[in-house]
Amino acid sequence: AQSVTQPDIHITVSEGASLELRCNYSYGATPYLFWYVQSPGQGLQLLLKYFSGDTLVQGIKGFEAEFKRSQSSFNLRKPSVHWSDAAEYFCAVRSGYSTLTFGKGTMLLVSP
Amino acid sequence: NAGVTQTPKFRVLKTGQSMTLLCAQDMNHEYMYWYRQDPGMGLRLIHYSVGEGTTAKGEVPDGYNVSRLKKQNFLLGLESAAPSQTSVYFCASSYSQRGRDTEAFFGQGTRLTVV
Repeated sequence: AQSVTQPDIHITVSEGASLELRCNYSYGATPYLFWYVQSPGQGLQLLLKYFSGDTLVQGIKGFEAEFKRSQSSFNLRKPSVHWSDAAEYFCAVRSGYSTLTFGKGTMLLVSP
Repeated sequence: NAGVTQTPKFRVLKTGQSMTLLCAQDMNHEYMYWYRQDPGMGLRLIHYSVGEGTTAKGEVPDGYNVSRLKKQNFLLGLESAAPSQTSVYFCASSYSQRGRDTEAFFGQGTRLTVV
Protein backbone atom coordinates (compact mmCIF):
# COMPACT_ATOMS: atom_id res chain seq x y z
CA ALA A 1 0.00 0.00 0.00
CA GLN A 2 1.09 3.52 -0.63
CA SER A 3 2.32 5.70 2.21
CA VAL A 4 3.91 9.08 2.81
CA THR A 5 6.30 9.89 5.63
CA GLN A 6 7.12 13.37 6.79
CA PRO A 7 9.79 12.77 9.41
CA ASP A 8 9.66 16.22 11.00
CA ILE A 9 6.57 17.12 13.01
CA HIS A 10 7.81 20.66 13.74
CA ILE A 11 10.54 22.75 12.20
CA THR A 12 11.64 26.22 13.30
CA VAL A 13 13.49 28.41 10.83
CA SER A 14 14.73 31.97 11.19
CA GLU A 15 13.21 34.48 8.83
CA GLY A 16 15.44 34.81 5.79
CA ALA A 17 17.03 31.40 6.25
CA SER A 18 16.62 28.53 3.83
CA LEU A 19 14.09 25.78 4.32
CA GLU A 20 13.89 22.11 3.45
CA LEU A 21 10.94 19.93 4.41
CA ARG A 22 11.39 16.22 3.94
CA CYS A 23 8.95 13.81 2.35
CA ASN A 24 9.45 10.12 1.61
CA TYR A 25 6.89 8.04 -0.21
CA SER A 26 6.17 4.41 -0.83
CA TYR A 27 4.37 3.65 -4.07
CA GLY A 28 4.63 0.79 -6.51
CA ALA A 29 4.38 2.69 -9.76
CA THR A 30 5.49 6.08 -11.02
CA PRO A 31 4.30 8.46 -8.33
CA TYR A 32 2.33 11.63 -8.78
CA LEU A 33 3.37 13.84 -5.89
CA PHE A 34 2.03 17.00 -4.32
CA TRP A 35 2.84 19.54 -1.64
CA TYR A 36 0.02 21.43 0.04
CA VAL A 37 0.14 24.24 2.60
CA GLN A 38 -2.48 24.97 5.23
CA SER A 39 -2.59 28.17 7.27
CA PRO A 40 -4.35 27.97 10.66
CA GLY A 41 -8.08 27.54 10.26
CA GLN A 42 -7.83 27.53 6.49
CA GLY A 43 -8.19 25.03 3.71
CA LEU A 44 -5.47 23.41 1.64
CA GLN A 45 -3.56 25.31 -0.99
CA LEU A 46 -1.59 23.46 -3.65
CA LEU A 47 2.05 24.59 -3.70
CA LEU A 48 3.33 22.35 -6.47
CA LYS A 49 2.97 18.98 -8.12
CA TYR A 50 5.10 16.43 -9.89
CA PHE A 51 3.68 14.21 -12.59
CA SER A 52 6.61 13.51 -14.88
CA GLY A 53 9.53 15.15 -16.68
CA ASP A 54 11.91 17.53 -14.98
CA THR A 55 12.59 16.30 -11.46
CA LEU A 56 12.92 19.85 -10.10
CA VAL A 57 9.47 21.36 -9.86
CA GLN A 58 8.73 25.04 -9.32
CA GLY A 59 5.68 26.10 -7.37
CA ILE A 60 3.98 29.15 -6.02
CA LYS A 61 5.34 31.50 -3.35
CA GLY A 62 8.96 30.73 -4.30
CA PHE A 63 8.82 27.04 -3.34
CA GLU A 64 10.41 24.22 -5.27
CA ALA A 65 10.65 20.47 -4.80
CA GLU A 66 12.96 17.83 -6.15
CA PHE A 67 11.83 14.32 -7.00
CA LYS A 68 14.49 11.69 -6.36
CA ARG A 69 13.33 8.26 -7.41
CA SER A 70 16.41 6.50 -5.99
CA GLN A 71 15.66 7.91 -2.53
CA SER A 72 11.85 7.81 -2.83
CA SER A 73 11.87 11.43 -1.76
CA PHE A 74 10.14 14.64 -2.75
CA ASN A 75 11.61 17.33 -0.52
CA LEU A 76 10.26 20.86 -0.48
CA ARG A 77 12.67 23.80 -0.46
CA LYS A 78 12.66 27.56 -0.27
CA PRO A 79 15.83 29.68 -0.33
CA SER A 80 14.60 32.42 1.99
CA VAL A 81 11.68 31.99 4.38
CA HIS A 82 9.24 34.80 5.14
CA TRP A 83 7.18 35.08 8.32
CA SER A 84 4.06 34.52 6.24
CA ASP A 85 5.31 31.01 5.37
CA ALA A 86 4.52 29.81 8.89
CA ALA A 87 1.89 27.09 8.34
CA GLU A 88 1.48 23.35 8.15
CA TYR A 89 2.79 21.57 5.09
CA PHE A 90 1.53 18.29 3.71
CA CYS A 91 3.09 15.97 1.18
CA ALA A 92 0.79 13.60 -0.71
CA VAL A 93 0.94 10.85 -3.31
CA ARG A 94 -1.86 10.16 -5.76
CA SER A 95 -3.34 6.70 -6.08
CA GLY A 96 -6.18 5.09 -8.02
CA TYR A 97 -9.06 7.36 -9.06
CA SER A 98 -6.89 10.31 -8.03
CA THR A 99 -7.30 9.60 -4.34
CA LEU A 100 -4.57 11.11 -2.19
CA THR A 101 -2.52 9.60 0.61
CA PHE A 102 -1.17 12.33 2.84
CA GLY A 103 1.72 12.52 5.21
CA LYS A 104 1.00 13.62 8.76
CA GLY A 105 2.27 17.09 8.11
CA THR A 106 5.14 19.33 9.18
CA MET A 107 4.42 22.48 11.14
CA LEU A 108 6.73 25.31 10.13
CA LEU A 109 7.47 28.00 12.69
CA VAL A 110 9.33 31.11 11.59
CA SER A 111 11.34 33.00 14.19
CA PRO A 112 12.21 36.70 13.85
CA ASN B 1 -16.60 30.24 -10.42
CA ALA B 2 -17.02 29.05 -6.81
CA GLY B 3 -14.99 25.81 -7.13
CA VAL B 4 -15.75 23.44 -4.25
CA THR B 5 -18.20 24.67 -1.63
CA GLN B 6 -18.88 22.95 1.67
CA THR B 7 -21.92 23.49 3.86
CA PRO B 8 -21.96 24.11 6.80
CA LYS B 9 -18.59 25.53 7.83
CA PHE B 10 -19.05 24.86 11.54
CA ARG B 11 -21.34 22.55 13.48
CA VAL B 12 -21.69 21.25 17.01
CA LEU B 13 -23.57 18.00 17.49
CA LYS B 14 -24.58 16.01 20.51
CA THR B 15 -23.61 12.36 20.67
CA GLY B 16 -26.16 10.27 18.80
CA GLN B 17 -27.44 13.08 16.60
CA SER B 18 -27.33 12.83 12.85
CA MET B 19 -26.31 15.33 10.22
CA THR B 20 -25.38 15.68 6.58
CA LEU B 21 -22.47 17.62 5.16
CA LEU B 22 -22.96 18.94 1.66
CA CYS B 23 -20.25 19.38 -0.93
CA ALA B 24 -20.97 21.10 -4.21
CA GLN B 25 -18.61 21.64 -7.15
CA ASP B 26 -19.18 23.65 -10.28
CA MET B 27 -16.23 22.39 -12.35
CA ASN B 28 -18.04 19.42 -13.89
CA HIS B 29 -15.61 17.03 -12.19
CA GLU B 30 -16.30 13.31 -12.31
CA TYR B 31 -14.47 12.41 -9.11
CA MET B 32 -15.32 13.64 -5.63
CA TYR B 33 -13.89 12.83 -2.21
CA TRP B 34 -14.39 13.27 1.51
CA TYR B 35 -11.38 13.48 3.82
CA ARG B 36 -11.10 14.06 7.53
CA GLN B 37 -8.25 15.88 9.19
CA ASP B 38 -7.19 15.20 12.76
CA PRO B 39 -4.21 16.69 14.62
CA GLY B 40 -1.04 14.75 13.92
CA MET B 41 -2.80 12.46 11.44
CA GLY B 42 -2.83 14.45 8.23
CA LEU B 43 -5.84 13.94 5.99
CA ARG B 44 -7.42 10.53 5.58
CA LEU B 45 -9.86 9.43 2.90
CA ILE B 46 -13.34 8.55 4.13
CA HIS B 47 -15.29 7.84 0.94
CA TYR B 48 -15.06 8.80 -2.67
CA SER B 49 -17.12 8.75 -5.84
CA VAL B 50 -16.03 8.27 -9.43
CA GLY B 51 -19.32 9.33 -10.94
CA GLU B 52 -22.97 10.05 -10.36
CA GLY B 53 -24.60 7.19 -8.50
CA THR B 54 -21.34 5.53 -7.46
CA THR B 55 -19.49 5.54 -4.14
CA ALA B 56 -16.55 3.65 -2.67
CA LYS B 57 -14.93 3.29 0.74
CA GLY B 58 -11.68 4.93 1.61
CA GLU B 59 -9.30 4.41 4.50
CA VAL B 60 -11.67 5.36 7.35
CA PRO B 61 -15.29 4.77 6.24
CA ASP B 62 -16.83 3.44 9.46
CA GLY B 63 -19.64 5.56 10.88
CA TYR B 64 -20.19 7.48 7.65
CA ASN B 65 -22.42 7.13 4.64
CA VAL B 66 -22.29 9.02 1.36
CA SER B 67 -24.46 9.65 -1.65
CA ARG B 68 -23.85 11.10 -5.12
CA LEU B 69 -27.29 11.58 -6.62
CA LYS B 70 -26.17 14.50 -8.75
CA LYS B 71 -22.83 14.91 -10.43
CA GLN B 72 -22.13 18.22 -8.77
CA ASN B 73 -23.01 17.15 -5.21
CA PHE B 74 -21.45 14.71 -2.78
CA LEU B 75 -23.11 14.26 0.60
CA LEU B 76 -21.49 12.88 3.75
CA GLY B 77 -23.83 11.60 6.44
CA LEU B 78 -23.32 10.78 10.07
CA GLU B 79 -26.23 8.68 11.29
CA SER B 80 -25.28 8.62 14.97
CA ALA B 81 -22.48 11.01 15.76
CA ALA B 82 -19.74 10.00 18.18
CA PRO B 83 -17.06 12.14 19.85
CA SER B 84 -14.45 10.29 17.76
CA GLN B 85 -15.97 11.96 14.72
CA THR B 86 -14.93 15.38 15.96
CA SER B 87 -12.73 16.53 13.11
CA VAL B 88 -12.32 18.89 10.21
CA TYR B 89 -13.90 17.50 7.07
CA PHE B 90 -12.66 18.40 3.61
CA CYS B 91 -14.37 17.73 0.34
CA ALA B 92 -12.42 17.64 -2.92
CA SER B 93 -13.07 17.02 -6.59
CA SER B 94 -11.00 16.26 -9.66
CA TYR B 95 -11.19 15.37 -13.34
CA SER B 96 -11.32 11.74 -14.30
CA GLN B 97 -8.38 11.73 -16.72
CA ARG B 98 -6.32 9.06 -15.05
CA GLY B 99 -2.66 9.39 -15.78
CA ARG B 100 -3.12 12.91 -17.01
CA ASP B 101 -2.19 16.17 -15.42
CA THR B 102 -5.01 16.29 -12.90
CA GLU B 103 -5.13 17.57 -9.36
CA ALA B 104 -7.71 17.69 -6.62
CA PHE B 105 -9.46 20.93 -5.71
CA PHE B 106 -10.38 21.26 -2.06
CA GLY B 107 -13.18 23.02 -0.25
CA GLN B 108 -12.58 25.20 2.78
CA GLY B 109 -13.53 22.55 5.28
CA THR B 110 -16.24 21.88 7.85
CA ARG B 111 -15.27 21.93 11.50
CA LEU B 112 -17.46 19.43 13.35
CA THR B 113 -17.49 19.00 17.10
CA VAL B 114 -19.40 16.15 18.73
CA VAL B 115 -20.06 16.61 22.44
